[in-house]
Amino acid sequence: EAAVTQSPRNKVAVTGGKVTLSCNQTNNHNNMYWYRQDTGHGLRLIHYSYGAGSTEKGDIPDGYKASRPSQENFSLILELATPSQTSVYFCASGLGGRGDTQYFGPGTRLLVL
Amino acid sequence: QQQVRQSPQSLTVWEGETAILNCSYENSAFDYFPWYQQFPGEGPALLISILSVSDKKEDGRFTIFFNKREKKLSLHIADSQPGDSATYFCAASAGNAGAKLTFGGGTRLTVRP
Repeated sequence: EAAVTQSPRNKVAVTGGKVTLSCNQTNNHNNMYWYRQDTGHGLRLIHYSYGAGSTEKGDIPDGYKASRPSQENFSLILELATPSQTSVYFCASGLGGRGDTQYFGPGTRLLVL
Repeated sequence: QQQVRQSPQSLTVWEGETAILNCSYENSAFDYFPWYQQFPGEGPALLISILSVSDKKEDGRFTIFFNKREKKLSLHIADSQPGDSATYFCAASAGNAGAKLTFGGGTRLTVRP
């Protein structure tokens, strides 16, 4: 069974503060993804990675950085958090390639005050 | 501009009825269409998928109908059960974009007993 975990599960941050969301996968998948989920918008891709050391911009990367220090770990960094970044964030992993299945973590609920 | 659109945003059916969830897309390069199911408090999980070379895909009570000419597809859930109550996301990817998915806004399905 695919296993993707996220921490923290809930986070309250202040405007202008730095926030780091962490993701760990034990599937040995090459690809990892960060999405945010907002009502009416579905899931929108922020950053993704093809393997350790690689990060790529997704569809909405502004205000976010990503880091992939190892095959297992992928972090999303908000250097200067803003209230518009209040959302639910999901990490996913997959083997990559056409028709790939993405396995999602349980999500992190972030509130920026 | 949303490249993948879903309708309706919410749908209520009675137990035993067939639920029909609709999806349309704009990018002619999209050739892989997975549907993800999400229960409250959880991450999405792959339910069923179809490649653009097919016009129908069945898996138990779940069937995808695909119309390439009209750029439309639909998910039919036969004999709906209360346990099917969830949010369903249509997604799409293009062969040349690897595993990068574009999600629709989702349809929240409620099945009443």
